Amino acid sequence: NAGVTQTPKFQVLKTGQSMTLQCAQDMNHNSMYWYRQDPGMGLRLIYYSASEGTTDKGEVPNGYNVSRLNKREFSLRLESAAPSQTSVYFCASIEDSEYNEQFFGPGTRLTVL
Amino acid sequence: DAKTTQPTSMDCAEGRAANLPCNHSTISGNEYVYWYRQIHSQGPQYIIHGLKNNETNEMASLIITEDRKSSTLILPHATLRDTAVYYCIVRVRQAGTALIFGKGTTLSVSS
Repeated sequence: NAGVTQTPKFQVLKTGQSMTLQCAQDMNHNSMYWYRQDPGMGLRLIYYSASEGTTDKGEVPNGYNVSRLNKREFSLRLESAAPSQTSVYFCASIEDSEYNEQFFGPGTRLTVL
Repeated sequence: DAKTTQPTSMDCAEGRAANLPCNHSTISGNEYVYWYRQIHSQGPQYIIHGLKNNETNEMASLIITEDRKSSTLILPHATLRDTAVYYCIVRVRQAGTALIFGKGTTLSVSS
């Protein structure tokens, strides 16, 4: 049981390049989330997917797109990267039980030059 | 979700109890108090949650005031490994509801 996994761990892009951040969970959770964390700040919600086939915007969705490929996988795409998107990106999923505990991946550290 | 207020930073000596306060004066009746922590560069980790009763698990205790307007997370015997940012979050417990993070409290445990 790997929990929530993210790839890649590190990435450097040039302004205008595109890339997709991958996230997968093996806990059979319905809900998945993408957050970003800038230095010295708390996490901010980018997009979320309450269930397979649905996605919704969070607090800071501009410049991003998401795909809930299946129940396990939730990807985040940057179509045209900008320096303002330099951040650490965390994927998470929530268990569907009375605890509602949210599990986080190890993060992807993205630098846009 | 209700807004929470936490001190920016706190210090604690190793082996002593760390008491982290959180104010959530606008909490609604169906909102739970959750605590997470984030050790440097890692993803946040769940600690504990509660509605109105005090809760205890292997990591910590959660004390919620009777009017539910504030709570305290207690780490009974802090270790150096407990140095982290601690987030107090108030939210309804509903499928698909995301956690909304503030800036949290940076706890520094020293020997």
